Amino acid sequence: SQQGEEDPQALSIQEGENATMNCSYKTSINNLQWYRQNSGRGLVHLILIRSNEREKHSGRLRVTLDTSKKSSSLLITASRAADTASYFCARRYQGAQKLVFGQGTRLTINP
Amino acid sequence: DAGVIQSPRHEVTEMGQEVTLRCKPISGHDYLFWYRQTMMRGLELLIYFNNNVPIDDSGMPEDRFSAKMPNASFSTLKIQPSEPRDSAVYFCASSLQEGNQPQHFGDGTRLSIL
Repeated sequence: SQQGEEDPQALSIQEGENATMNCSYKTSINNLQWYRQNSGRGLVHLILIRSNEREKHSGRLRVTLDTSKKSSSLLITASRAADTASYFCARRYQGAQKLVFGQGTRLTINP
Repeated sequence: DAGVIQSPRHEVTEMGQEVTLRCKPISGHDYLFWYRQTMMRGLELLIYFNNNVPIDDSGMPEDRFSAKMPNASFSTLKIQPSEPRDSAVYFCASSLQEGNQPQHFGDGTRLSIL
């Protein structure tokens, strides 16, 4: 697609395992943001990584950015049932204010 | 702090009727965004405002859709006349001016057009 891809589309793992989601983009970005959406709710911002950054952490979340491959990954460590949600990558391309969202990854954590 | 507030949370109406969705952004935020989310098309940006001025409305699907922001604390998205294919969840989001700021989303309006 024009905005890039996210994979996998769906991921189901056992509680306690790590979950990794990937996001690609097409042209130069200013930053890349990850959001979570619980069923029936709005999106909640998780982490923003700037184009000159390679890794950021927030609690059990770790985001990496590889500008040479135009890709980013979100790692959730020691997953919990409460992490069950859809996760979206949003690209802010250079020169633009708006975000371009992907289709998201639907994560299910099985107890 | 209060987040982005949208109303109503749910709206069910018959096709041909006018629908008005409302949004109150976070106080002090300079940008306001309207999105539509469907299973088929995902999350689509419809329009966004900066300091109450519409900047990019290229995502508005048709002339049946219009959006206004009369002041910094209120915006509306109107559909007239509504059609069944307009059924979706509509989100409003706001953010601060500086580019490396996240967007804050409301909980959306689930719209069903019968």
